[in-house]
Amino acid sequence: KAGVTQTPRYLIKTRGQQVTLSCSPISGHRSVSWYQQTPGQGLQFLFEYFSETQRNKGNFPGRFSGRQFSNSRSEMNVSTLELGDSALYLCASTPLGDYEQYFGPGTRLTVT
Amino acid sequence: KQEVTQIPAALSVPEGENLVLNCSFTDSAIYNLQWFRQDPGKGLTSLLLIQSSQREQTSGRLNASLDKSSGRSTLYIAASQPGDSATYLCAVRYTDSWGKLQFGAGTQVVVTP
Repeated sequence: KAGVTQTPRYLIKTRGQQVTLSCSPISGHRSVSWYQQTPGQGLQFLFEYFSETQRNKGNFPGRFSGRQFSNSRSEMNVSTLELGDSALYLCASTPLGDYEQYFGPGTRLTVT
Repeated sequence: KQEVTQIPAALSVPEGENLVLNCSFTDSAIYNLQWFRQDPGKGLTSLLLIQSSQREQTSGRLNASLDKSSGRSTLYIAASQPGDSATYLCAVRYTDSWGKLQFGAGTQVVVTP
């Protein structure tokens, strides 16, 4: 089975712009979670989607949003980028009944 | 507040020595605990998953224990190798939190030849 894929792998954006990141889960997995990783804050949970519904949300401002499509692929969007949004964004997918999360390689976002 | 702590933050051992990595959590209402490995600039590789009803889990040279009552998990890596050099993270899924893993800050391990 193919693993979790994330696109793009690297992004450079300017302050004030917006960005969309994509995550394709492992085939058959319906839950997708998103995390932000920075050297200062470590890994922090952004949100989780299951069957196109957001079930859980972390403590991030409304500039961070996401969605999930009927094929379980997920996107996250960050509007009005700030320098502090520079981070590695990771998504993870989870199969039903297992709850082990499988992570993708991440998208490295740099905001200048 | 649900917190996960990993001590030490960094560890350096000679090749062949056993590694012992510690993880503690403040709330015993956990669903499961996962250990991950992360190489620099890369994603997370799942090493072991322990369900809350289990006391330990083993995979090859890796063994993880879980003591919910004391809020602790330990990852043992036997006969360490230079290829084991990485950051090791533990993450807790609490029972009241869909899809959310609470991560520790990690232990950075260096195994010297």
